[in-house]
Amino acid sequence: QSVLTQPPSASGTPGQRVTISCSGSSSNIGSNIVNWYQQLPGTAPKLLIYSNNLRSSGVPDRFSGSKSGTSASLAISGLQSDDEADYYCAVWDDKLNGVVFGGGTRLTVL
Amino acid sequence: EVQLVESGGDLVQPGGSLRLSCAVSGFNVSDNYISWVRQAPGKGLEWVSVIYRGGSTYYGASVKGRFIISRHNSKNTVFLQMNSLKPEDTAVYYCASLRIAVADFDYWGQGTLVTVSS
Repeated sequence: QSVLTQPPSASGTPGQRVTISCSGSSSNIGSNIVNWYQQLPGTAPKLLIYSNNLRSSGVPDRFSGSKSGTSASLAISGLQSDDEADYYCAVWDDKLNGVVFGGGTRLTVL
Repeated sequence: EVQLVESGGDLVQPGGSLRLSCAVSGFNVSDNYISWVRQAPGKGLEWVSVIYRGGSTYYGASVKGRFIISRHNSKNTVFLQMNSLKPEDTAVYYCASLRIAVADFDYWGQGTLVTVSS
């Protein structure tokens, strides 16, 4: 069971906006920066959003991140078939002295 | 161009040992923070270990006492020595560079598969 809680799946149709949530606690999200990773099928993860809401180089502005209290979310607007992937939130955990990941959300574009 | 290339993954019996390598180009491992992250088949990501620029090392609870992270500065390579392996250690192991200020992994290798089975 992951320290950070994400819904296991999400879906949307092309052009739609979808949101993926990530819930944590005061020792992780509540006191540290949240980052998001995208993992396309059969590939290594790629940094998507860092420092809560900054897009990594080359990431389109359709992707955005936000954080409030002990929760964070990733929003994808103008959904495209290429966005089908697994998405993970991650944050430094002060109690564990390491990085913790959410369980991942598989996004399906219908 | 930054590249991280893992190697050393193999099939090993429970209780056995294995050493993974992460060869880095594009920056000096001695000046950076390098982590190992693993992914069991069909499962999510799990942080395993990190070696700091200054040489300090930290481990996830599931591998503490069994795994050792180290580096060879002149070879610009980071290692993960895995001992007392268990079937639940079966995973693809990625090395990644950690930007400590924002605690994100900005560069990843392609991964190497470790299978622990009799």
